Amino acid sequence: GESVGLHLPTLSVQEGDNSIINCAYSNSASDYFIWYKQESGKGPQFIIDIRSNMDKRQGQRVTVLLNKTVKHLSLQIAATQPGDSAVYFCAEIGNYGQNFVFGPGTRLSVLP
Amino acid sequence: SAVISQKPSRDICQRGTSLTIQCQVDSQVTMMFWYRQQPGQSLTLIATANQGSEATYESGFVIDKFPISRPNLTFSTLTVSNMSPEDSSIYLCSVVPGTGYYPTFGSGTRLTVV
Repeated sequence: GESVGLHLPTLSVQEGDNSIINCAYSNSASDYFIWYKQESGKGPQFIIDIRSNMDKRQGQRVTVLLNKTVKHLSLQIAATQPGDSAVYFCAEIGNYGQNFVFGPGTRLSVLP
Repeated sequence: SAVISQKPSRDICQRGTSLTIQCQVDSQVTMMFWYRQQPGQSLTLIATANQGSEATYESGFVIDKFPISRPNLTFSTLTVSNMSPEDSSIYLCSVVPGTGYYPTFGSGTRLTVV
């Protein structure tokens, strides 16, 4: 969904289900893409990254997909847990690491 | 990755006053970045602080409002001057470690202006 005003788009999932968080990026020349997780009262923390020459990368319970044709990035979280509740930001890095642009963020809420 | 200590973690300030936020990194870094995160929103870059030179401010941010110091390669301060309620935000310090390529963040300073 779109970010509207002060309200982050929210994704609610049942515990144990898979989550998919989407992000549209702006610069087709960006070199890296990163997903950050921000828990309440903390700064953003790195989750996973992907280079622009890849279309998929897997980590522990997380997978990032990159579709350069439509400038779209997604984060998939398998078997979502209560500890996954947070705000998730995508970021694109370009110009040899000199430019960082953050997406609007999505709030993930895990339901018991 | 670098460990970033940011102080204070939160503060409630009167309008018209100023607050200085400190950022300490456990390793030497060339550039330090200051971001603002308004309630329910994403991160907006305020300025890039280079050691030994003036900070570089992004559009919409000025030195008189957000003076920055960078006395050495491990420390920086951001001052929020003449505060108004619209300055209520989380302010985040960030660095790109020497061996890394992506920003690492401090835990932020949650500022409320009343």
